[in-house]
Amino acid sequence: GAGVSQTPSNKVTEKGKYVELRCDPISGHTALYWYRQSLGQGPEFLIYFQGTGAADDSGLPNDRFFAVRPEGSVSTLKIQRTERGDSAVYLCASGRASTDTQYFGPGTRLTVL
Amino acid sequence: AQRVTQPEKLLSVFKGAPVELKCNYSYSGSPELFWYVQYSRQRLQLLLRHISRESIKGFTADLNKGETSFHLKKPFAQEEDSAMYYCALKGHNNNDMRFGAGTRLTVKP
Repeated sequence: GAGVSQTPSNKVTEKGKYVELRCDPISGHTALYWYRQSLGQGPEFLIYFQGTGAADDSGLPNDRFFAVRPEGSVSTLKIQRTERGDSAVYLCASGRASTDTQYFGPGTRLTVL
Repeated sequence: AQRVTQPEKLLSVFKGAPVELKCNYSYSGSPELFWYVQYSRQRLQLLLRHISRESIKGFTADLNKGETSFHLKKPFAQEEDSAMYYCALKGHNNNDMRFGAGTRLTVKP
């Protein structure tokens, strides 16, 4: 079946702009995660959804970052007033439950000029 | 605090040689440990998790609580094992998966 998909695959924006990154999880997966991966580093946890609610947003770096999952399926990561330091690959993962294997998407490469 | 350390950024071995990718962690409770792999131009995928105690693609990893390590081993490396390997830790009662910085393994012919 189809895996986790993320759009766009690449996003270039200017400092100060607003961006939205989309994640389509595997159908039926209730757990959804967002990670950020900077160059030369491993993925860094941002936020975890169980169904529609953000069960753990402790990894969001500041209030410019926000994520939603209104219907318990697709999720959108929103970044306001982007900064050059936000440049990274943003990964989404989903699983049947929080204890299940996480299946990763291909990522969105965000470049803030 | 949760922390995962992979001391080697790069590791190169010849085909058929044994390989060990090191992972050390710090966590005060009972962690779950994982190895993820990313082959060239592919997405990150789970290789193995310590609770499964299984061998995947010839790789094994044993959780050593005394040494707080979860090293990944394979007795005879293959060229197709060349990839980026990440060790990861998840606390027993939380959802924060903490990854190491990764080790790039190159298996030379």
